[in-house]
Amino acid sequence: DIQMTQSPSSLSASVGDRVTIICRASQSSSNYLNWYQQKSGKAPKLLIYAASNLQSGVPSRFSGSGSGTEFTLTISSLQPEDFATYYCQQSYSLPLTFGGGTRVEIK
Amino acid sequence: EVQLVESGGDSVQPGGSLRLSCAASGFTFNTYAMSWVRQAPGKGLEWVSSISGFADSTYYAQSVKGRFTISRDNSKNTLSLQMSSLRAEDTAVYYCAKEGDIVTGYSPFDYWGQGTLVTVSS
Repeated sequence: DIQMTQSPSSLSASVGDRVTIICRASQSSSNYLNWYQQKSGKAPKLLIYAASNLQSGVPSRFSGSGSGTEFTLTISSLQPEDFATYYCQQSYSLPLTFGGGTRVEIK
Repeated sequence: EVQLVESGGDSVQPGGSLRLSCAASGFTFNTYAMSWVRQAPGKGLEWVSSISGFADSTYYAQSVKGRFTISRDNSKNTLSLQMSSLRAEDTAVYYCAKEGDIVTGYSPFDYWGQGTLVTVSS
């Protein structure tokens, strides 16, 4: 199984800050790495697929990079609606696995 | 507009059974693989099971293999999860999720339902 590890597990940031979340895979997942945003009490929402592709309708302040075992989600200028928990997920091999999540809180 | 609406969540005793359903609309159902993903209270996301568009392939997490059965009715645009021998650790919100391709793997979960709560407790 590919284990996904996110860091940090939580962070505090201010509106306008640049935020970076890291996701590491225990073995290569090529570029089959996806990012989701989940707000409290809601279903997850796809932000980035295949490491760096922005899902339709997602603001351009979100971006993804990386390949192999290390990936990054960046929010270029944090907005009030971005406070949420973010998960990475590998879709390279079964079982499909998620990272533990990164909670982004208001500073 | 893609819509996924889960139903069937309930409170059951350990060892009991439950059937979840997901009604899909807004896309050609039989051309996409579908999955169930769960989230225990206050915890992260866990993939449970997937089924290909034509239902010729099914996959399960080790934690549910032999106890859960995924199925789909392409004539009714419905996904199901039959759960048996339920344990306390199966307590979670269960989400129905659409994949981006007809087979599982490589593609993301591009649409999710609102979830249905399953509670296993005596």
